[in-house]
Amino acid sequence: DVKVTQSSRYLVKRTGEKVFLECVQDMDHENMFWYRQDPGLGLRLIYFSYDVKMKEKGDIPEGYSVSREKKERFSLILESASTNQTSMYLCASSFRGSPLHFGNGTRLTVT
Amino acid sequence: GEDVEQSLFLSVREGDSSVINCTYTDSSSTYLYWYKQEPGAGLQLLTYIFSNMDMKQDQRLTVLLNKKDKHLSLRIADTQTGDSAIYFCAANTQGTYKYIFGTGTRLKVLA
Repeated sequence: DVKVTQSSRYLVKRTGEKVFLECVQDMDHENMFWYRQDPGLGLRLIYFSYDVKMKEKGDIPEGYSVSREKKERFSLILESASTNQTSMYLCASSFRGSPLHFGNGTRLTVT
Repeated sequence: GEDVEQSLFLSVREGDSSVINCTYTDSSSTYLYWYKQEPGAGLQLLTYIFSNMDMKQDQRLTVLLNKKDKHLSLRIADTQTGDSAIYFCAANTQGTYKYIFGTGTRLKVLA
């Protein structure tokens, strides 16, 4: 079974802090994704990566950056956390054209 | 733009069948997926269907696809309380990184 592991289930950070969300997959998938999930808005794509060191902006990249130095690891960075970034963050991975496999999510609260 | 729509809520009695419906707008969608999300968790892939198929059955799950009407349904036979969750429909076009998710249907199973 594919395993996608997000390093934290819950995080509480202060406004202005730099925040790192980590995601690791064990299936040698080329593609990795970061989504955020908010009530009434569904899943929105922040960034995705199709190879090491390659990244593409999704629908809502503002205020976020990403890093993919190794194939199995994809990090989401909030440069200066704000309260409107309080959300559930979901990491996913896939082979091209195959289903997305999700991690368990990180619920981030910015106070 | 592309869109995937689902009804918000469904309530059924334990032991009955549940049918969750989804419509999508992008006729080039190649893969259609069903995911399940339990409270506080990520999305779990339940099943998926390729666009040249009409039906797929996997134990208690049956997926029906009407490509002409761009309508997808998920039937859960003998619904159990453990099936209570949010169910997401998603569409992807082969060769693209874009997965379009519906806003989810919350299934409540009454004992």
